[in-house]
Amino acid sequence: SQKIEQNSEALNIQEGKTATLTCNYTNYSPAYLQWYRQDPGRGPVFLLLIRENEKEKRKERLKVTFDTTLKQSLFHITASQPADSATYLCALGNDYKLSFGAGTTVTVRA
Amino acid sequence: GAVVSQHPSRVICKSGTSVKIECRSLDFQATTMFWYRQFPKQSLMLMATSNEGSKATYEQGVEKDKFLINHASLTLSTLTVTSAHPEDSSFYICSVLPGLAGGPTSTGELFFGEGSRLTVL
Repeated sequence: SQKIEQNSEALNIQEGKTATLTCNYTNYSPAYLQWYRQDPGRGPVFLLLIRENEKEKRKERLKVTFDTTLKQSLFHITASQPADSATYLCALGNDYKLSFGAGTTVTVRA
Repeated sequence: GAVVSQHPSRVICKSGTSVKIECRSLDFQATTMFWYRQFPKQSLMLMATSNEGSKATYEQGVEKDKFLINHASLTLSTLTVTSAHPEDSSFYICSVLPGLAGGPTSTGELFFGEGSRLTVL
């Protein structure tokens, strides 16, 4: 069965540094991969989508890479700020159904 | 962007009662909505795909008679947890897929509601 693993449950970094999150998957060939942000007690909010034929996507301070050979996506938050503290979920999809990872909780210290 | 309204945000009920959660798409019509549940520190688990005007498609292991889904209009889907028990206590989240599923306007991006925290005593 398909499996989605996000590198660690928690990541603590200093303000201004770059946070790098990993999403690995097995037994799956997704057409696209997405990253969401989830704050405590709230629903996820879409951040970025990257398709299987794309290597990298950027949006403001966010950068996502997608390596279908390694079956891995990296999610970078550059110049991190305390407001970036949240749980980040990766999600893989074909057609319109998504499968989510358990998330990585990022805490940015001032 | 799209706005999805979910109600109630929190509900506490006694064991054996039924609870209805509503999910409304405020900005556009939604042929397809999804219902997820999430336990603490775990991933969102897809429960069912709600299709307007037809029966919902349930994921393996989800009891369709316990989790009743109705998608009577293009802007409203409801999830009813019937005869709730403490183990049903969870965070239930709906999401909306803009446009037609798989159609040219669909990028796969989902818009989520704020979630409903169900506590069964």
